[in-house]
Amino acid sequence: SQQGEEDPQALSIQEGENATMNCSYKTSINNLQWYRQNSGRGLVHLILIRSNEREKHSGRLRVTLDTSKKSSSLLITASRAADTASYFCATKSPLTGGYNKLIFGAGTRLAVHP
Amino acid sequence: GAVVSQHPSRVICKSGTSVKIECRSLDFQATTMFWYRQFPKQSLMLMATSNEGSKATYEQGVEKDKFLINHASLTLSTLTVTSAHPEDSSFYICSGDGNTEAFFGQGTRLTVV
Repeated sequence: SQQGEEDPQALSIQEGENATMNCSYKTSINNLQWYRQNSGRGLVHLILIRSNEREKHSGRLRVTLDTSKKSSSLLITASRAADTASYFCATKSPLTGGYNKLIFGAGTRLAVHP
Repeated sequence: GAVVSQHPSRVICKSGTSVKIECRSLDFQATTMFWYRQFPKQSLMLMATSNEGSKATYEQGVEKDKFLINHASLTLSTLTVTSAHPEDSSFYICSGDGNTEAFFGQGTRLTVV
């Protein structure tokens, strides 16, 4: 079952602009992950942030985590047309034991226009 | 990252027939694999957890007799959609359990006509 909500559902920007996507979740977590999905393809892992971390960077990606608000944000800076994809947050809950069982948010469809 | 190969990428079948989708971990041993279903412009819905050498664990509302899962080896899990109907048309994705992240197959677009 999905536990996360993401907003916006869709985001359309111009190349060079920044894109911010938000994710909220409901239960306690071990970590929160962001994945990217190109249309009709599988998912690619982008970045993981642990529950005891507040911010993490990877290249043009910046992720924040606020466990008190049960929310996370993904910022893509200096966007490119190739960033066009759907972005999903996913949480791993301690309730699921040792399995990497992920619960996905609804996703944000990002369109970056040249 | 690790590689998970999913096959076929697309399949069209007639109503009433069965379709098998394979998910292979190419460079790691996947004791656990997950099967998801995704409708257009929607998120991934977990269908079942596939455990090597034991029965799969199905999520609530997923018919185990409809979606047969076999995980006979540490590198292969299969999902068989039995007696397929048009409403089973969807995008099916598998993933292997990594230490931290999940590694996803490329997905299978199933169309039942």
